[in-house]
Amino acid sequence: GAVVSQHPSWVICKSGTSVKIECRSLDFQATTMFWYRQFPKQSLMLMATSNEGSKATYEQGVEKDKFLINHASLTLSTLTVTSAHPEDSSFYICSAGGGGAEQYFGPGTRLTVT
Amino acid sequence: QKEVEQDPGPLSVPEGAIVSLNCTYSNSAFQYFMWYRQYSRKGPELLMYTYSSGNKEDGRFTAQVDKSSKYISLFIRDSQPSDSATYLCAMSAMNTNAGKSTFGDGTTLTVKP
Repeated sequence: GAVVSQHPSWVICKSGTSVKIECRSLDFQATTMFWYRQFPKQSLMLMATSNEGSKATYEQGVEKDKFLINHASLTLSTLTVTSAHPEDSSFYICSAGGGGAEQYFGPGTRLTVT
Repeated sequence: QKEVEQDPGPLSVPEGAIVSLNCTYSNSAFQYFMWYRQYSRKGPELLMYTYSSGNKEDGRFTAQVDKSSKYISLFIRDSQPSDSATYLCAMSAMNTNAGKSTFGDGTTLTVKP
């Protein structure tokens, strides 16, 4: 139980284009989902918290117009990186709240912007 | 100073060894404690979820919480090469997702055959 999927697992895009990453909770409903970014050999950096049916809450320093988050249902949240640039290349990971303090993470999406 | 401190390692042990991973924290409001395992290029996986002080055992893994010392540990018995990963501790003041977790930076463990 508590499986979270992400799609795509790996994406390459050209600078200036937009990329959408999907995060789905497969066997449970998630009122809250989280989006993280992780650089090689570094820890998780929380980008935003999304609650179903409401606007996402972004962490300080994260551009909300660049990283668009939509949590349209209890099983799906999406992250769109708009006008991507090479510095946006990173490993993006979503997680879904399990009802308590625990989180269930997706497998991650590796984004490379050329 | 970070709210959660975790020795980044790297930690290298021979197969079969007992591994001790630790985190300290400064926020006395933390009540819920998690350990996650992250393999390279994968998302973290929840290993243990505990509340308040005491021990919790699950197979080869034991999570220990000492709130008086603001110190938590994860013990791995009979360590295996497949345990080689980065281990992240996480803590929260609330038992809901409204309270975000605060993560340690992770300890990288290598178990050598």
